[in-house]
Amino acid sequence: GESVGLHLPTLSVQEGDNSIINCAYSNSASDYFIWYKQESGKGPQFIIDIRSNMDKRQGQRVTVLLNKTVKHLSLQIAATQPGDSAVYFCAEAGKNTDKLIFGTGTRLQVFP
Amino acid sequence: DTGVSQDPRHKITKRGQNVTFRCDPISEHNRLYWYRQTLGQGPEFLTYFQNEAQLEKSRLLSDRFSAERPKGSFSTLEIQRTEQGDSAMYLCASSLLASSYNEQFFGPGTRLTVL
Repeated sequence: GESVGLHLPTLSVQEGDNSIINCAYSNSASDYFIWYKQESGKGPQFIIDIRSNMDKRQGQRVTVLLNKTVKHLSLQIAATQPGDSAVYFCAEAGKNTDKLIFGTGTRLQVFP
Repeated sequence: DTGVSQDPRHKITKRGQNVTFRCDPISEHNRLYWYRQTLGQGPEFLTYFQNEAQLEKSRLLSDRFSAERPKGSFSTLEIQRTEQGDSAMYLCASSLLASSYNEQFFGPGTRLTVL
């Protein structure tokens, strides 16, 4: 299949380890943040979101951290599995708009 | 399958031809979005609809691009006089307007190649 995200930053982790993917966002007025996972040949898949009035949110095996002071967002994946291999994008949206602005993706490679 | 569907999945056309893509959102989702994605990049917003109304358009949407959602359900994106720079993946997403922010569910995309 075709590759999503050629020449992207790549994070390689061993199966079972924890992964941390980072994202710097640009707009201090952004109010809503989302992490998407994109596998080759597929559309982005929602993972987890967080609003600007929070600094941490947890899901199943995933945690998103938001640091508004330095405009930084991170995605932590616990016990990374081969099925987690994909390109991960952060996205932001401002108030009164649904327009998502996507950041540069990170390719996650999980090896046994 | 009750997700967002897009048709066709792949389109190869010659420069100068017109193409039209279709998106069927998740049933009862009243918001529908179009994005464009080139290799190595994240999706870029093009436009979105609430029901039939087109609420916002990006500067990326030149006058060769037009999107419609005539009955508030499916949407079409037409590109006239295609150029090689139009080659990209065209993604559609839909959401259900609730309170403030709405999770956008993406379709598989239409891959356009302009020769």
